[in-house]
Amino acid sequence: DAGVTQSPTHLIKTRGQQVTLRCSPKSGHDTVSWYQQALGQGPQFIFQYYEEEERQRGNFPDRFSGHQFPNYSSELNVNALLLGDSALYLCASSLTPVAYNEQFFGPGTRLTVL
Amino acid sequence: SQQGEEDPQALSIQEGENATMNCSYKTSINNLQWYRQNSGRGLVHLILIRSNEREKHSGRLRVTLDTSKKSSSLLITASRAADTASYFCATDRSNQFYFGTGTSLTVIP
Repeated sequence: DAGVTQSPTHLIKTRGQQVTLRCSPKSGHDTVSWYQQALGQGPQFIFQYYEEEERQRGNFPDRFSGHQFPNYSSELNVNALLLGDSALYLCASSLTPVAYNEQFFGPGTRLTVL
Repeated sequence: SQQGEEDPQALSIQEGENATMNCSYKTSINNLQWYRQNSGRGLVHLILIRSNEREKHSGRLRVTLDTSKKSSSLLITASRAADTASYFCATDRSNQFYFGTGTSLTVIP
């Protein structure tokens, strides 16, 4: 049984560009959450998808958007990249309700913005 | 601001010793989870403790929760060099999870 997978592993972009990150949840999980982790910090919640809709959102600007597909996989899109967007982006999957279930994390995508 | 805060920020111990790290949070929770992260990789789920539980064990891990003090502790017994990692607590509020800045644990062989 595959766990949470993310692609790509690493990505280098320049300021102003757009990026799409992908996540496949653990088998049987229906909820996907995205986190941004800056160096030396804890993960910060970006948003959560369930039933193909954004259900919860953290304190991130509209440049951050996402999507969930019928097979529960998800994408994170970031437009107009800033240097400060450089971070490890983590995807986590779980069953709903998330408050009562374990979250399983993928290995992350390391984004570098130059 | 982040909900959970770990203490200490860094901890260095000898192999075989016990390691204790603490987490404090600000608002009421449904559950609290502890995670381990090795050197910028993905987080590994360690243990979940629900708000109506006071203590939970998993192998060499012991987690306590004191909802009156809004705090939790993670004890790793008989530490090993492989336990070297960053440890985070995560608390939920309105179906969102909030992580602290973590405790960096170094176990010296």
